[in-house]
Amino acid sequence: KQEVTQIPAALSVPEGENLVLNCSFTDSAIYNLQWFRQDPGKGLTSLLLIQSSQREQTSGRLNASLDKSSGRSTLYIAASQPGDSATYLCAVLAAGNKLTFGGGTRVLVKP
Amino acid sequence: DTEVTQTPKHLVMGMTNKKSLKCEQHMGHRAMYWYKQKAKKPPELMFVYSYEKLSINESVPSRFSPECPNSSLLNLHLHALQPEDSALYLCASSQDPRNYGYTFGSGTRLTVV
Repeated sequence: KQEVTQIPAALSVPEGENLVLNCSFTDSAIYNLQWFRQDPGKGLTSLLLIQSSQREQTSGRLNASLDKSSGRSTLYIAASQPGDSATYLCAVLAAGNKLTFGGGTRVLVKP
Repeated sequence: DTEVTQTPKHLVMGMTNKKSLKCEQHMGHRAMYWYKQKAKKPPELMFVYSYEKLSINESVPSRFSPECPNSSLLNLHLHALQPEDSALYLCASSQDPRNYGYTFGSGTRLTVV
């Protein structure tokens, strides 16, 4: 059974610092990994989708890496801003098109 | 249109009420999903519809009844709910999840009193 873990569960940084969010998964037989952002009480916004054959994806200040063999992905957010405060979820898609979520990392960026 | 639209945004219902949640997408996605999310927990899959047919029911109690009237619309009918069913209900859609991932709606915050 696929298990997805996100460490740390919560993170607080001063504005301008780079954010590093970690996601690990137990079964490397995945199709892809997707990073989402969730504001309190709101839905999920897709940030980046990395295919199993890819090593990284970039969008603006966001960069996500994937090391499938070691079961790890890292989301980097450069030059953090207070507006980046949210919960970040990673999810892996595996056989049977089953999407498994990690527990999320709650991020607070202090002005 | 690249959105999944959910209505209502908030719903308060009594344990004897019948209500429905609605989800709509016009991206031509052929799979639609209902997820339930409790506070500070990740979303949990409830139902999957593929080509308007129910393909996955994650052992959800019968007081939750999904319906897919057409390829753009997904409903979740609620009846005789319990207070512990209070949660954020998320709808998602996908065309080809292996290549394009999932698009989620903004959710319905349900409170059962």
